[in-house]
Amino acid sequence: NAGVTQTPKFRILKIGQSMTLQCTQDMNHNYMYWYRQDPGMGLKLIYYSVGAGITDKGEVPNGYNVSRSTTEDFPLRLELAAPSQTSVYFCAGGEKPNEKLFFGSGTQLSVL
Amino acid sequence: GENVEQHPSTLSVQEGDSAVIKCTYSDSASNYFPWYKQELGKGPQLIIDIRSNVGEKKDQRIAVTLNKTAKHFSLHITETQPEDSAVYFCAASYNAGNMLTFGGGTRLMVKP
Repeated sequence: NAGVTQTPKFRILKIGQSMTLQCTQDMNHNYMYWYRQDPGMGLKLIYYSVGAGITDKGEVPNGYNVSRSTTEDFPLRLELAAPSQTSVYFCAGGEKPNEKLFFGSGTQLSVL
Repeated sequence: GENVEQHPSTLSVQEGDSAVIKCTYSDSASNYFPWYKQELGKGPQLIIDIRSNVGEKKDQRIAVTLNKTAKHFSLHITETQPEDSAVYFCAASYNAGNMLTFGGGTRLMVKP
C-alpha cells in the first residue's frame, strides 16, 4: 500500500495563476482532509470530506475548492493564487472522523 | 471553537534524558487527544493518542497523561534518542465535531 500520495512535492506559482494539488489514497478511507501548515505554526483545516460526493469547509477555506468524485481522490484547487497561500499543504485520510490520520508527505507551494 | 496551546516551542535535551511537552485545550467537550511526530520533509505521523475516559496511556518509551479538570495533557518521552529529534504536535477534537485542532508544535532536539 502506498498510503496517501500527494503531487507535486514543490511548486512555484505567480500571483493570479491557478493549480490543483493532487491527493490519492489506497487505504479505502472515507474521511479525507486538506491542511495547510505555515512556518512555526500548527496545521489548519482547509476542507474535508466524509465520503465520495460530500465535502465541507474547514477553518480556512477561502481561496480554495475541493471535489470528491471517488473514494480515492481528493484534489485541492487554488483558483487565483495569492502570496498568503504560500504554505505547505498536507492531505490526510482516516477511517473515523479526525482519528488516527495518515498524512501524505506534503506539497510546498510558493506564490510570488 | 477549540483552542490548543502547546509549550515549549523548542526543547533541547541530552540523549538519555526525558522530555515533556505540555498542551492545554479550551473546549471541555473535547474527548480525543492525539500526538503527531513530524520529521523534516515529511508529513505528521501519529505516535500515540488518548481518550478522555483514560488518564494515562503508555507505549514503550512514550506516554501521554490527561487531566480533564485542568484541561491539559502532556507527552512524556523517556530515554530520548537522536532519532526522537523532530517536531511534535498535540491536537484535540470531540466526537460530534469535524475539526481536529492542532497546537503550534514543539521542536525537540536530542543531543548525542
